[in-house]
Amino acid sequence: TQLLEQSPQFLSIQEGENLTVYCNSSSVFSSLQWYRQEPGEGPVLLVTVVTGGEVKKLKRLTFQFGDARKDSSLHITAAQPGDTGLYLCAGRNTDKLIFGTGTRLQVFP
Amino acid sequence: GAVVSQHPSRVICKSGTSVKIECRSLDFQATTMFWYRQFPKQSLMLMATSNEGSKATYEQGVEKDKFLINHASLTLSTLTVTSAHPEDSSFYICSASVGRSYEQYFGPGTRLTVT
Repeated sequence: TQLLEQSPQFLSIQEGENLTVYCNSSSVFSSLQWYRQEPGEGPVLLVTVVTGGEVKKLKRLTFQFGDARKDSSLHITAAQPGDTGLYLCAGRNTDKLIFGTGTRLQVFP
Repeated sequence: GAVVSQHPSRVICKSGTSVKIECRSLDFQATTMFWYRQFPKQSLMLMATSNEGSKATYEQGVEKDKFLINHASLTLSTLTVTSAHPEDSSFYICSASVGRSYEQYFGPGTRLTVT
């Protein structure tokens, strides 16, 4: 069974702080995606990384795919209350997505 | 583009009854649809994968006779929870993909509460 472990599980920070969320697996994935989900809604795709070592930036969010395509990180600079939500990584295995355990982020003003 | 809807958004049913959840791709034809279940404060767990016109493929541990999936057209898949019990209470989310793109577009989810 492929597992994607995310850390930390919970994160509570003040507005303006930086944070990093990690997504780790012992399995290799063809690509990895990051989603953000708000309560009572479906997940919303933030980014897809495909190449080992790839780095993508989306405004204040920086995503990195590990060289071996087994892990990934999400770094948020100067977090804002609007960043609050559940962050999920998901690795692709053929046509299936394997979701990570999730990181719940709370940013206080 | 690539909008997926679910109906209903919330449903409450009594234990022992069945409930049907619809997943529609509104502006594209979905060759594959996926059904996920999400318990409170947990991640999404894939339940089954369905391709239009063929039987769904269920993940290990998911009872196919309890969770009936029908994918009769390229824009509609339904999940029927039969003989629902309180432990089936969960957030059910569908997604749809097009051809070989493997990109999945997620619906807004359906909150099922079984009393």
